This record gives sequence, C-alpha cells and structure tokens, in this order.
Amino acid sequence: NAGVTQTPKFQVLKTGQSMTLQCAQDMNHEYMSWYRQDPGMGLRLIHYSVGAGITDQGEVPNGYNVSRSTTEDFPLRLLSAAPSQTSVYFCASSYIRGDGGELFFGEGSRLTVL
Amino acid sequence: GENVEQHPSTLSVQEGDSAVIKCTYSDSASNYFPWYKQELGKGPQLIIDIRSNVGEKKDQRIAVTLNKTAKHFSLHITETQPEDSAVYFCAASGGGTASKLTFGTGTRLQVTL
Repeated sequence: NAGVTQTPKFQVLKTGQSMTLQCAQDMNHEYMSWYRQDPGMGLRLIHYSVGAGITDQGEVPNGYNVSRSTTEDFPLRLLSAAPSQTSVYFCASSYIRGDGGELFFGEGSRLTVL
Repeated sequence: GENVEQHPSTLSVQEGDSAVIKCTYSDSASNYFPWYKQELGKGPQLIIDIRSNVGEKKDQRIAVTLNKTAKHFSLHITETQPEDSAVYFCAASGGGTASKLTFGTGTRLQVTL
C-alpha cells in the first residue's frame, strides 16, 4: 500500500499565484486533514474532513480552500499565494474512533512563495 | 479550543542516558494523547499513545505517563541511541472527533556519542 501520497514535493510560487496541493490515501480512512509546519510553531491544523462532502476549518484556515468529493482525495487550494504561506504542508489521514487512533502522514510538500 | 505546550524545545543527551519531554494541555475533555517522531525530510510517525483511562504505558525503551488532574503527560526514552535523534511532537485530541489533534511545538532531541 502507498499510504498517504502528496504531490508536489516542492513548489515555488510568486505572490498572487494559485495552486493546488494534492493528497490521496488508499487506506479507506474517513478522516483526512492538512497541517502546516513552521519553525518553532509545530504542526497547525488548516482544514479537515470526516468524510466525503464534509469539511471544516482548523486553527489556521485563512487563505486555503478544501473539498472532499471522494474518500481517497483531499486537495488543498491556495487561491492567491502570500509569502506568509511559505511552509511545509502535511496531509494526514486516519480511521475515526471515539477514543483516538493513529494519524498517518504523507511525506510533506515544501512550498515557497516569493 | 485545545492548547498544547511542550518543553524543552531542544534536548541533547549522551548515548545511553534517558530523555524526558513534557507536555501540558488545556482542554479537560481531551481523551487521547499520542507522541510522534519526525525524522529529517519525513512526515511524523506515531511512536506511542495513551488514552485518558490509563496512567502509564510502555513499549520497550519508550514510556508515556499521563496525569489527568494536572493535565500533563510526558515521554520517557531510556538507553538512548543515535537513531533516537529526531523531532518529537506531543498531541492531544480536543473537542469533536478524537482524530482532530492539536500538536505541541516539538522537541529536537540530539543523542551524542
């Protein structure tokens, strides 16, 4: 199994450009999420989804859009990139359990906005 | 929402010594507390977790303790080895689905020879 696959691994954008980070999982997980990782700030939740057609905001949602049309895919869209969105982005997925369970992460996508 | 604080931000130990990383959380409703290890250039991976009905859990050289009253939990690594060098994150689930984790800011552990 591939697990959680993110593309691209690296991307450079100019301010104002748009792009989509792709995330796919092959474990039939209901829960999918996007985190950004910045030095000294840990992992911060951007958006998450508990199933196809259901999305919700996390801690830092501004400037990002998501959709969940299938169980497998959860793309993250930057509509108008800003330098403050320079970061490493991680997609993660899991089964939904009332008492918690392992979150599986992708390898990350490093985004630089000039 | 949930807030998780993690200390120290960096930790250097000699091979064979023990390492302890501490976290506190704010939401008394949180019931799941995992620890993740992130190696350079990789995504975080779960190494151990504990649920609110358990006070301590061990897995070989790794142990986690939970004090619900004080709202803090700790990771203990004994007999550290160079391959333990990585960034470690604690996390807590708060509100809604237990899958929705709030992470600490991370601890960079360096094991020196």
